[in-house]
Amino acid sequence: DQQVKQNSPSLSVQEGRISILNCDYTNSMFDYFLWYKKYPAEGPTFLISISSIKDKNEDGRFTVFLNKSAKHLSLHIVPSQPGDSAVYFCAAVNAGNNRKLIWGLGTSLGVNP
Amino acid sequence: DAGVTQSPTHLIKTRGQQVTLRCSPKSGHDTVSWYQQALGQGPQFIFQYYEEEERQRGNFPDRFSGHQFPNYSSELNVNALLLGDSALYLCASSRQGFGEKLFFGSGTQLSVL
Repeated sequence: DQQVKQNSPSLSVQEGRISILNCDYTNSMFDYFLWYKKYPAEGPTFLISISSIKDKNEDGRFTVFLNKSAKHLSLHIVPSQPGDSAVYFCAAVNAGNNRKLIWGLGTSLGVNP
Repeated sequence: DAGVTQSPTHLIKTRGQQVTLRCSPKSGHDTVSWYQQALGQGPQFIFQYYEEEERQRGNFPDRFSGHQFPNYSSELNVNALLLGDSALYLCASSRQGFGEKLFFGSGTQLSVL
């Protein structure tokens, strides 16, 4: 039972354009969401997060949008750069289960020069 | 300031053997979590240690055990290895109360033959 779903295994974008990575969740007890980025042979690194009381959080080129009614969040990267090529994981915190972190399967982003 | 360090980076074992993986958390962090990441999957939570005790546990059998030392470093032990235990094992550290923003090591790639 995948509670955090990243339905696109991969995404390819041209350098300078916008990258949009999507994430859907099923559990209404999730109250905090995070995006992590992972390069090959490295552990994931924290990118950006959003609380369920907000609908947008921005940090430089990265913006996360949260639509609670649709149980959907998205990560926007503008402009995309070749160094953004990595696997992006969406993760959610379950407020009702000791705040366990539940991870999606990841989306592999390729940014072409 | 050293980040999270894990050893060894790669390990090859045979079925039935036992393995110990080690992790040193980021300076200032007191909580260590262990994750298993199989190919094409998101990280799966194994357990978390704080104050030398296992505080939370994911859906992993008792063959998976751990330990945290007074200096906050941690070990993951897996007994009676199965082929399906082949995966990347990630250690993540955090400060108590800031558990969602994890800092990951580069992982130990375990291959069970």
